[in-house]
Amino acid sequence: LAKTTQPISMDSYEGQEVNITCSHNNIATNDYITWYQQFPSQGPRFIIQGYKTKVTNEVASLFIPADRKSSTLSLPRVSLSDTAVYYCLVGDIRGAGANNLFFGTGTRLTVIP
Amino acid sequence: GAVVSQHPSRVICKSGTSVKIECRSLDFQATTMFWYRQFPKKSLMLMATSNEGSKATYEQGVEKDKFLINHASLTLSTLTVTSAHPEDSSFYICSANTLGQGADTQYFGPGTRLTVL
Repeated sequence: LAKTTQPISMDSYEGQEVNITCSHNNIATNDYITWYQQFPSQGPRFIIQGYKTKVTNEVASLFIPADRKSSTLSLPRVSLSDTAVYYCLVGDIRGAGANNLFFGTGTRLTVIP
Repeated sequence: GAVVSQHPSRVICKSGTSVKIECRSLDFQATTMFWYRQFPKKSLMLMATSNEGSKATYEQGVEKDKFLINHASLTLSTLTVTSAHPEDSSFYICSANTLGQGADTQYFGPGTRLTVL
């Protein structure tokens, strides 16, 4: 049961790099790590996905240590529009049910001018 | 690519009526769609998994006779909230899966705000 633990909230100033860490001690061999961003009254938006080491795309980087028991989402130079809730999701959705699709509390990021 | 739409975006209905919410994958075929419910300032809770052409799989505690799910094609799933009551008021979100880099990835719709008076 690969549940996740994230900080409930974080504050950051505009222009800074933000790192949000997610703990997933019970991650399974077939599990991937996916991060989503959600604005109020909108569906989550896919940010990045990875299995191990480092993944980078145009909006974020994802760092995964060798033991895969945690992961860190890195947002470079945040702006006010990055204020949102960020969810870390661990699982392989080919496995049915909520155990593989468990959205934890998420991290509410507030970017301050 | 990988766009999912939902209709309607918001609906207000009287207690006892039924409401249908549509979820469409616009530019890809989705073998599986998922339905979530989200209460204010809370996380998403999976309600059911919907596979095209077969019965949906409901999570524990979700009444299948109240939340009817139909997945008639590879691009459309519907959720019908039957005999809605005020406690059913919530934000309903669907997602559809597509193959990502070595793993399935969910893409979410914009959500439907249901208010039952």
